[in-house]
Amino acid sequence: DAKTTQPPSMDCAEGRAANLPCNHSTISGNEYVYWYRQIHSQGPQYIIHGLKNNETNEMASLIITEDRKSSTLILPHATLRDTAVYYCIVRVGQGGSEKLVFGKGTKLTVNP
Amino acid sequence: NAGVTQTPKFQVLKTGQSMTLQCAQDMNHEYMSWYRQDPGMGLRLIHYSVGAGITDQGEVPNGYNVSRSTTEDFPLRLLSAAPSQTSVYFCASSPGQGEVNEQFFGPGTRLTVL
Repeated sequence: DAKTTQPPSMDCAEGRAANLPCNHSTISGNEYVYWYRQIHSQGPQYIIHGLKNNETNEMASLIITEDRKSSTLILPHATLRDTAVYYCIVRVGQGGSEKLVFGKGTKLTVNP
Repeated sequence: NAGVTQTPKFQVLKTGQSMTLQCAQDMNHEYMSWYRQDPGMGLRLIHYSVGAGITDQGEVPNGYNVSRSTTEDFPLRLLSAAPSQTSVYFCASSPGQGEVNEQFFGPGTRLTVL
């Protein structure tokens, strides 16, 4: 699996957009970008995934660069409840989901 | 659906004791996994299963055993607990089919080994 690099921490004001970057320069053509988050000490929660096109769901948007070497998770209107550790994971999409590799992620703090 | 359930929520063991962490899911998922999370770290994969009767080792399998006799249950056994196994343990499941296979995580078991 391709290695990912994320900043260890970020801050965001409540109501503003939170943009979380992820570098995955060694990603291969059949690897997807997944985002999970972990609020306090709970189990991680799936947010969104993408292959090469930008994706949006009710939680967030995922922007993947054309060369696929980096991506950005966007929380459009961050709330205090979005304070969490966000993990960017690169993994082959067809199967293999039982073996996610988590790095240290980005600790996002949303401030009032 | 209850989703992924784990018992117990908290456990304290003495060095050398054995115990089983329970994990169950009611979503008929094929894939199940066990992770551990040490303070300030990401999750590390211990063991996983792609279906009943099939298990395999993850990144940190030493000191742990698993079995998968049913689709619903995936218990994790600590054979002889050591202080290095003090951690939070998460169980997860995923459908095993389709493009993405989102993983669903349980609430965790917080284990302290004295």
